[in-house]
Amino acid sequence: AQSVTQLGSHVSVSEGALVLLRCNYSSSVPPYLFWYVQYPNQGLQLLLKYTTGATLVKGINGFEAEFKKSETSFHLTKPSAHMSDAAEYFCAADSGTASKLTFGTGTRLQVTL
Amino acid sequence: NAGVTQTPKFRVLKTGQSMTLLCAQDMNHEYMYWYRQDPGMGLRLIHYSVGEGTTAKGEVPDGYNVSRLKKQNFLLGLESAAPSQTSVYFCASSHWGPRAKNIQYFGAGTRLSVL
Repeated sequence: AQSVTQLGSHVSVSEGALVLLRCNYSSSVPPYLFWYVQYPNQGLQLLLKYTTGATLVKGINGFEAEFKKSETSFHLTKPSAHMSDAAEYFCAADSGTASKLTFGTGTRLQVTL
Repeated sequence: NAGVTQTPKFRVLKTGQSMTLLCAQDMNHEYMYWYRQDPGMGLRLIHYSVGEGTTAKGEVPDGYNVSRLKKQNFLLGLESAAPSQTSVYFCASSHWGPRAKNIQYFGAGTRLSVL
């Protein structure tokens, strides 16, 4: 069975600092991988996705993620955090069956002045 | 273009009551999904549908039923609500086609409390 693990349920960074949110997947076949963001009292919005090809994927709002097959990881980064980045971030994997997604447990990002 | 619309946004039920959550999408998507979101557990798939008239069980289907009578609508029913069903429910839809192009689009959620 496929699983997605997000290390750290809460991450706090200072404004302007590097954001690093960790995601590891467990799958016999590399899945398609996604990062979604959820702002308070809203639904999920796609940040970026990896399917095939280039392993460094750029998304919206300055975020990017790198797929590393050898480490079964898909960590999300942003060079400089902004107050508006405060939200909950979910990593997800596509099983390939009806495009069903398996989600990680989420990481809440806090950005401080 | 509204995308995915969920009705209602909030609801409070008493144990044993029934209700139906409605999800409507205007993107002509084939696939639709119902998830529940609980603190520390991420989103878990309840049921999904790959087309009009079809439904299938997800990870946590017990206590829920679904119907997809029209392509644009996906209904989630609770026949006899239990406190364990207190959660935030999200509907999503996705295009059918090349897997690389499939992205799930989410509604704003329904916050349900069962007392």
